[in-house]
Amino acid sequence: GAVVSQHPSWVICKSGTSVKIECRSLDFQATTMFWYRQFPKQSLMLMATSNEGSKATYEQGVEKDKFLINHASLTLSTLTVTSAHPEDSSFYICSARDGTITGELFFGEGSRLTVL
Amino acid sequence: TQLLEQSPQFLSIQEGENLTVYCNSSSVFSSLQWYRQEPGEGPVLLVTVVTGGEVKKLKRLTFQFGDARKDSSLHITAAQPGDTGLYLCAGPRWGQNFVFGPGTRLSVLP
Repeated sequence: GAVVSQHPSWVICKSGTSVKIECRSLDFQATTMFWYRQFPKQSLMLMATSNEGSKATYEQGVEKDKFLINHASLTLSTLTVTSAHPEDSSFYICSARDGTITGELFFGEGSRLTVL
Repeated sequence: TQLLEQSPQFLSIQEGENLTVYCNSSSVFSSLQWYRQEPGEGPVLLVTVVTGGEVKKLKRLTFQFGDARKDSSLHITAAQPGDTGLYLCAGPRWGQNFVFGPGTRLSVLP
């Protein structure tokens, strides 16, 4: 199957700083990528849809100025958590569809953010 | 709104037992996918079912897509501790996105 890679796997930062998470499709081009947030023992919560060359589409309740998404190329999307606070601590996961007829969704390994 | 429900939400069984997890919707899906997620990792795709009534087998795992393409089931035979994880079903939504079920958290005890 297709490969999606996320970096970093985990990051610890101080409150007020910004953190960037990268999501790369390694063996296919992804015009669309998705960013999720997952709380402990819960399912995935879609935050936004990242569109190559255009603005991201955010889900209701997600602050676009807080969670900046950039999809600069067909293989890279980034999520920047700006002015992070402890309540932003979470597991963030990206995914992309591989462009096949069934359009299967492949996920990155996830990034655990801890804000002190 | 295309929503997916999963049952049971939690399941704890002994090694060697069989189990079935269900994914249901009131809407028709063109396909459904099953994922397994282990703690601290991203979900891993197990299978995609596309045709109504389709049955797919992956070693001890058997996946079935309902005839009306509104539901799916995952059956595990002789569960092993390595099967422990969060099982998610998902289906394509409008546009490019997918909708996810709430997941079934399986724990297989040795």
